[in-house]
Amino acid sequence: DAKTTQPPSMDCAEGRAANLPCNHSTISGNEYVYWYRQIHSQGPQYIIHGLKNNETNEMASLIITEDRKSSTLILPHATLRDTAVYYCIVRGRGLTGGGNKLTFGTGTQLKVEL
Amino acid sequence: GAGVSQSPSNKVTEKGKDVELRCDPISGHTALYWYRQSLGQGLEFLIYFQGNSAPDKSGLPSDRFSAERTGGSVSTLTIQRTQQEDSAVYLCASSLEWGPTYEQYFGPGTRLTVT
Repeated sequence: DAKTTQPPSMDCAEGRAANLPCNHSTISGNEYVYWYRQIHSQGPQYIIHGLKNNETNEMASLIITEDRKSSTLILPHATLRDTAVYYCIVRGRGLTGGGNKLTFGTGTQLKVEL
Repeated sequence: GAGVSQSPSNKVTEKGKDVELRCDPISGHTALYWYRQSLGQGLEFLIYFQGNSAPDKSGLPSDRFSAERTGGSVSTLTIQRTQQEDSAVYLCASSLEWGPTYEQYFGPGTRLTVT
């Protein structure tokens, strides 16, 4: 699976949009971009995933650049409860391992403040 | 609906003892995964089950670690002769099917402390 690069930390004011970037310049055409978050002392929580097109759900939006080398997770109106470590993960279609397991990096610590 | 559940939530054991950790996946999910997260570290893949296929054990750190999944549902991770370096949060996840289009849903984890 391709490697991802994320900033170690970001701050965001409550009520503002939080835009979390991720670089995945070595991504291949059949690899998906996944986002998870982990609030302190809890298990990771699935947020969203996409292949080529932008995606939106009740939690967030995922914007993937046309060349697919980077993406941005957008939390439209951040709240204090969104404070967490956010992981960007590239996940392939391998029949064993690659398409099945998630490989977590160090993520971005998002801190939402009043 | 009910999510992934794990038990116990916390386990303290003495070095050298065996421990069993349990995972109940989401009903109907055919794929089940075990990960662990050591203090201040990222998540590390351990083992994966899909239906009746042979499990992918490529992440198990030593032969002291084993896992089984009975009846395609509940899974048990067993650590024999525990060592202090086994102290970590052990996380279980499940997904509807295998493959990158199916998101994995995680349980709350079991915090294992080996003294």
